[in-house]
Amino acid sequence: EAGVAQSPRYKIIEKRQSVAFWCNPISGHATLYWYQQILGQGPKLLIQFQNNGVVDDSQLPKDRFSAERLKGVDSTLKIQPAKLEDSAVYLCASSFRSGTTTGELFFGEGSRLTVL
Amino acid sequence: AQKVTQAQTEISVVEKEDVTLDCVYETRDTTYYLFWYKQPPSGELVFLIRRNSFDEQNEISGRYSWNFQKSTSSFNFTITASQVVDSAVYFCALSPLNAGNNRKLIWGLGTSLAVNP
Repeated sequence: EAGVAQSPRYKIIEKRQSVAFWCNPISGHATLYWYQQILGQGPKLLIQFQNNGVVDDSQLPKDRFSAERLKGVDSTLKIQPAKLEDSAVYLCASSFRSGTTTGELFFGEGSRLTVL
Repeated sequence: AQKVTQAQTEISVVEKEDVTLDCVYETRDTTYYLFWYKQPPSGELVFLIRRNSFDEQNEISGRYSWNFQKSTSSFNFTITASQVVDSAVYFCALSPLNAGNNRKLIWGLGTSLAVNP
């Protein structure tokens, strides 16, 4: 079974530029998550999708971050314009159980963003 | 407040030593889940275990074991006879029941384990 796929693995941009990350979850997983992990910290949930609807985006900085999950499968996370403090690893995860976090999350390898 | 505390930031052991990673949590919910994840240098978080609040039985899986004690709000993780491949950052996480019947994972800051040959 294929795991969660993310791209690109690494991205270096200058502040005020834009960047987009892509995630393809495990087939059949209804729930998709984007996490931000700053070095030395635990993951922070940015947004959670249930199929193509947003369940939780309370910690998403909506003035610069946006995410979509068209057709309830793969997802894109965009940052525009980027700030220095956005330097982090962006992790995508998916889970089989819908609407709750009672099941395990399957993570991709992450996309490491460096903002100069 | 909902919170997970992993007091050990870094642990270094020599191969074959046993090591325990501590996790203390806070929640007012009576129903919740606790998790441990492993994050090797490759960056991918790997699920290790889930435990629900009604099940206080200890669990053993190979060299890994978990001790859940509600009385002290702790969910500690022990690796027996550690190996170099166990070197990783280990995260403890709590999943309480939020308003709207939705659960969100609350993560500790992680413990970085280095197993030296």
